[in-house]
Amino acid sequence: NAGVMQNPRHLVRRRGQEARLRCSPMKGHSHVYWYRQLPEEGLKFMVYLQKENIIDESGMPKERFSAEFPKEGPSILRIQQVVRGDSAAYFCASSQGAMTYEQYFGPGTRLTVT
Amino acid sequence: GESVGLHLPTLSVQEGDNSIINCAYSNSASDYFIWYKQESGKGPQFIIDIRSNMDKRQGQRVTVLLNKTVKHLSLQIAATQPGDSAVYFCAENTGTASKLTFGTGTRLQVTL
Repeated sequence: NAGVMQNPRHLVRRRGQEARLRCSPMKGHSHVYWYRQLPEEGLKFMVYLQKENIIDESGMPKERFSAEFPKEGPSILRIQQVVRGDSAAYFCASSQGAMTYEQYFGPGTRLTVT
Repeated sequence: GESVGLHLPTLSVQEGDNSIINCAYSNSASDYFIWYKQESGKGPQFIIDIRSNMDKRQGQRVTVLLNKTVKHLSLQIAATQPGDSAVYFCAENTGTASKLTFGTGTRLQVTL
């Protein structure tokens, strides 16, 4: 049973470009969460999605950031017009259900904005 | 601000000794707590969890203690091994919320 998969593992973008981060949840999991981690800090919640629905986006910046989890395919976190402050590790987690608290994390995507 | 925080940013222990990592939380509505281990360059790995109706839970070499009176959580690792070297995070969930709130982490260094 494959775990949570994220790609790419490392992504370098110049300021102003777009970044697309992908997450495939564990088999049988339909709930996906995105977190951001700055160096030497804890993870900060960004958004919680179920298939085709955004359930909680209270941690998402109002501009430039968007997320989706289509009926088919991976969840996508999209950052438009990246700035240096977007440089961070972005982690995806999945869970089996809304009331299943245990979240399993992927290896993360490390975004560097030059 | 953060609702979950840690007392010590770095903990150094000798191999074979027991480790205790502490965490304070401020949200009295939190009813589920988790400890994660994060090795360099990897995602957080689930270690152990505890619900608010318990005050102690044991796993393999690890024990989590919950003191709701003072809003304090601890992770005890018995017979610490070099492979335990990592950053440890506590996280909380309020049950009705979908997100986890993480503390800032404690780096555990195991010396030989």
